[in-house]
Amino acid sequence: EDQVTQSPEALRLQEGESSSLNCSYTVSGLRGLFWYRQDPGKGPEFLFTLYSAGEEKEKERLKATLTKKESFLHITAPKPEDSATYLCAVMGGGSNYKLTFGKGTLLTVNP
Amino acid sequence: NAGVMQNPRHLVRRRGQEARLRCSPMKGHSHVYWYRQLPEEGLKFMVYLQKENIIDESGMPKERFSAEFPKEGPSILRIQQVVRGDSAAYFCASSGQTGGDEQYFGPGTRLTVT
Repeated sequence: EDQVTQSPEALRLQEGESSSLNCSYTVSGLRGLFWYRQDPGKGPEFLFTLYSAGEEKEKERLKATLTKKESFLHITAPKPEDSATYLCAVMGGGSNYKLTFGKGTLLTVNP
Repeated sequence: NAGVMQNPRHLVRRRGQEARLRCSPMKGHSHVYWYRQLPEEGLKFMVYLQKENIIDESGMPKERFSAEFPKEGPSILRIQQVVRGDSAAYFCASSGQTGGDEQYFGPGTRLTVT
């Protein structure tokens, strides 16, 4: 059974204070690892897909990296508008295209 | 470009009533997935459908829940005889022609059972 664990559960940063969120996973044959952002009362918003160890993707202040066991979401010089819950999900080889999600990291960026 | 659309956004039902949740995928998408988000829990997969076919319903409770994606019209998640434990946010996602594509989520339907 595919499993995803995210840490920390919550993270408070000052504006401009860079940090990283962690996503550890176990999966039978990784098809893809996905990062989403979710604002309160809204649906998850797609950010990145990573397919193989060593892959990196960037979007504005966010950078996602992938190893064989974990993924990191690096946030550089965050702004208050980056405050949200960040979700990590995996799609395993035997999963029939379903996503297995972690519980998320609630990020708060104070001005 | 219209994204994934879900309605209603909020639904209140009394115990024992039926709930029908609708999802229209993004234009050009033929794969639909339903997920449930319970308070303090992560998103959990329920069912994966293509037009007129249920591909994987391994996450659906065995009783009272059903889903369909007809040839014409939206996908429907139906919950019969709702109980308080069904109160949750239900999200629909869609992906393109290949099942392994990124899944794009709708705004969700928040079901409250009183």
